[in-house]
Amino acid sequence: DVKVTQSSRYLVKRTGEKVFLECVQDMDHENMFWYRQDPGLGLRLIYFSYDVKMKEKGDIPEGYSVSREKKERFSLILESASTNQTSMYLCASSLVVGGPQHFGDGTRLSIL
Amino acid sequence: ILNVEQSPQSLHVQEGDSTNFTCSFPSSNFYALHWYRWETAKSPEALFVMTLNGDEKKKGRISATLNTKEGYSYLYIKGSQPEDSATYLCALPGTYKYIFGTGTRLKVLA
Repeated sequence: DVKVTQSSRYLVKRTGEKVFLECVQDMDHENMFWYRQDPGLGLRLIYFSYDVKMKEKGDIPEGYSVSREKKERFSLILESASTNQTSMYLCASSLVVGGPQHFGDGTRLSIL
Repeated sequence: ILNVEQSPQSLHVQEGDSTNFTCSFPSSNFYALHWYRWETAKSPEALFVMTLNGDEKKKGRISATLNTKEGYSYLYIKGSQPEDSATYLCALPGTYKYIFGTGTRLKVLA
């Protein structure tokens, strides 16, 4: 069965810290995505990657960066965490472009 | 900007009731539409991938229809059960990017 694993379910960090959110998939998928979910808003795309070492900005990339050194791992980095980055973060992968996405359980991140 | 709208935002129904909700989208440049179910404390799970006008998909008590000419899809749940309580999301995939609606939050009361 398809599995997308996010490293933490809950995380509390302080303003100004560098924060790493890790995501691993075991399906050999080319495409991986990072979203954030906020109340009243749909899932918003932060970054995506369609190949190792490739990355593209999504709709809200400001304040974030990503790393994809290996096919199965896609990391989201908050360079200097701020309170407005408190959110639920979801990682996803897909086998084909435009295909159904497989999601991790999400990381609820609080920045104090 | 491509906009995907879902209605209603939330819905409470009694166990055994049938219900439906809507996903609306611009009908131009349609490629596909996905429905996902997102239960609390779990990950969103793909329910249906719909591509053709007139498509109708079914999974147990849940079914979905698609009208690409008028830009909407309906999700139906027959005989709702408490385990159907979840947020139902629709999404339009583009080239790599997916546009998600804000979801319909369904609560089925026992």
